[in-house]
Amino acid sequence: SYELTQPPSVSVSPGQTARITCSGDALPKQYAYWYQQKPGQAPVLVIYKDSERPSGIPERFSGSSSGTTVTLTISGVQAEDEADYYCQSADSSGTFVVFGGGTKLTVL
Amino acid sequence: QVQLVQSGAEVKKPGASVKVSCKASGYTFTSYGISWVRQAPGQGLEWMGWISAYNGNTNYAQKLQGRVTMTTDTSTSTAYMELRSLRSDDTAVYYCARVLSSSSLGWFDPWGQGTLVTVSS
Repeated sequence: SYELTQPPSVSVSPGQTARITCSGDALPKQYAYWYQQKPGQAPVLVIYKDSERPSGIPERFSGSSSGTTVTLTISGVQAEDEADYYCQSADSSGTFVVFGGGTKLTVL
Repeated sequence: QVQLVQSGAEVKKPGASVKVSCKASGYTFTSYGISWVRQAPGQGLEWMGWISAYNGNTNYAQKLQGRVTMTTDTSTSTAYMELRSLRSDDTAVYYCARVLSSSSLGWFDPWGQGTLVTVSS
């Protein structure tokens, strides 16, 4: 079955830039989406269609795509950004939705 | 505002069934699909499937085919997810989410608050 691969953890200091990657063979053909999930809460959409930012999401959140890897970038990380982040996409046939395993962002 | 409100926590015995509801408000229910996603304790997100609120078409994850049924009631703007033959590894928080796409693919926004289903003898 198709998989999306994320690093289990990323750590940055406040004010630095965090980059969280998501790799998958079908990513050149399928859009990627990113969600932020804080403990005990439902996920929140932060990026859609690889690089679009929903209204209400701070400008420090951005997304990019290159080949089989998509990247969520958080510029000027703040303590409130500490959370789990999940990428989402679809298999190459466009049949099933797949989530990455999640990345825990720690703000030192 | 757009909101999805789910039913309350459930405790079930192995082999039983559970049906979780998801009531939508703040938008035209039949204009979007609903996906269901679950999260086992301490684990990641797992997509369970999608239903079109427009025509009832469904697309289920291969792993759950035969055990899951998703339905909608357009008169009350409510989506339902029923999971049968419950096992201990079905213990999870179950989320519904509006799908912003005309197909089963697309992005999820917003999500319901989650429903904890515990399977235990």
